[in-house]
Amino acid sequence: QKEVEQNSGPLSVPEGAIASLNCTYSDRGSQSFFWYRQYSGKSPELIMSIYSNGDKEDGRFTAQLNKASQYVSLLIRDSQPSDSATYLCATSGGYQKVTFGIGTKLQVIP
Amino acid sequence: ETGVTQSPTHLIKTRGQQVTLRCSSQSGHNTVSWYQQALGQGPQFIFQYYREEENGRGNFPPRFSGLQFPNYSSELNVNALELDDSALYLCASSLDGGNEQFFGPGTRLTVL
Repeated sequence: QKEVEQNSGPLSVPEGAIASLNCTYSDRGSQSFFWYRQYSGKSPELIMSIYSNGDKEDGRFTAQLNKASQYVSLLIRDSQPSDSATYLCATSGGYQKVTFGIGTKLQVIP
Repeated sequence: ETGVTQSPTHLIKTRGQQVTLRCSSQSGHNTVSWYQQALGQGPQFIFQYYREEENGRGNFPPRFSGLQFPNYSSELNVNALELDDSALYLCASSLDGGNEQFFGPGTRLTVL
């Protein structure tokens, strides 16, 4: 079982729709959770971090965390073609090691 | 504020050679982590340096080694290169060993 699981996609959504990206993790000791966006050929860019159960909103992005279900999600409202990228879910049990999933490729169709 | 920088951008080596990759951390950050990202995969943690000491290591063999300098810049050295070492090598910086990390542009290594 992979430590951080994501569907590799692609996930296709029409422009203006809500994109929902999901991630599960196996380490119950995980304390920190991150979403990174990675454009093709570029490095990952941190877009959201979440540390406690519930929702965290930042502009068009909402991260959701459910530790009991070991589940993290990212919602992107009013999706734009510029949101087309691979979204990496990452977790950490504390300092040092951050574990990444394989990433979900999102395609926003104009 | 200066972001994370890495050099070189691209590198081609042959099997058995040695390579050194360099990273300068973001202004104010004292911790550097290195990751290997193979095509179509997520980044894999290699190790982290904090205050010039290795502060954690992933599942990579000893031929992957590193250094951190007093100005918090860092090097990743890989000896006896193998074909499977071909990947994007990413450096990420953070503050005080924290895991809210910011990545540099990466070095694309090709081993022939």
